[in-house]
Amino acid sequence: AQSVTQLGSHVSVSEGALVLLRCNYSSSVPPYLFWYVQYPNQGLQLLLKYTSAATLVKGINGFEAEFKKSETSFHLTKPSAHMSDAAEYFCAVTPALNAGKSTFGDGTTLTVKP
Amino acid sequence: GAGVSQSPRYKVAKRGQDVALRCDPISGHVSLFWYQQALGQGPEFLTYFQNEAQLDKSGLPSDRFFAERPEGSVSTLKIQRTQQEDSAVYLCASSPLRGLAGGPQETQYFGPGTRLLVL
Repeated sequence: AQSVTQLGSHVSVSEGALVLLRCNYSSSVPPYLFWYVQYPNQGLQLLLKYTSAATLVKGINGFEAEFKKSETSFHLTKPSAHMSDAAEYFCAVTPALNAGKSTFGDGTTLTVKP
Repeated sequence: GAGVSQSPRYKVAKRGQDVALRCDPISGHVSLFWYQQALGQGPEFLTYFQNEAQLDKSGLPSDRFFAERPEGSVSTLKIQRTQQEDSAVYLCASSPLRGLAGGPQETQYFGPGTRLLVL
């Protein structure tokens, strides 16, 4: 069984400030971890993924995430927020043994203030 | 190139009506996934195909839900006798590979979803 917890359903930052979106997971087998972004009325777009290579993963739009096994975390960060980063962000886990069955968190809405 | 497309984008149904939601995956993509996203929640897995084979349908909430992909490309999610609790956005995703060459680390490409409202 696997689960994903995203701490904070809403996060608000000022433009130029650090973005930190938290994700903790549980998985009985080695996980693959993903962050997706969803803009209004659009599908999910992959930001980055952890697939057991480097623990620090760099994605698109300046985002990165660090896999910390000891903390079962995969937090998403960006050094400087841009207005265009305002969207909903989802963390997801897929177990290594089941290609199809991803589990998503409930999402975090990021607001960027000018 | 063209991404995953879904139709209709919006569907209003009366309770008890049958609906059919279509997904056109990226051409050549082997795997296809359906998710249900309720308001304010993350997507929840419904079912998964590799080509025409439905490998996992454990997420389908009841026997009113049925999915097919008869020729290994376009897929249809059918909901019979819709209920108000079926109101949600239904997302389709596809990925290119399968088996050991593909698998859980493969990127899923999502369509824009079909927003279903059951009155």
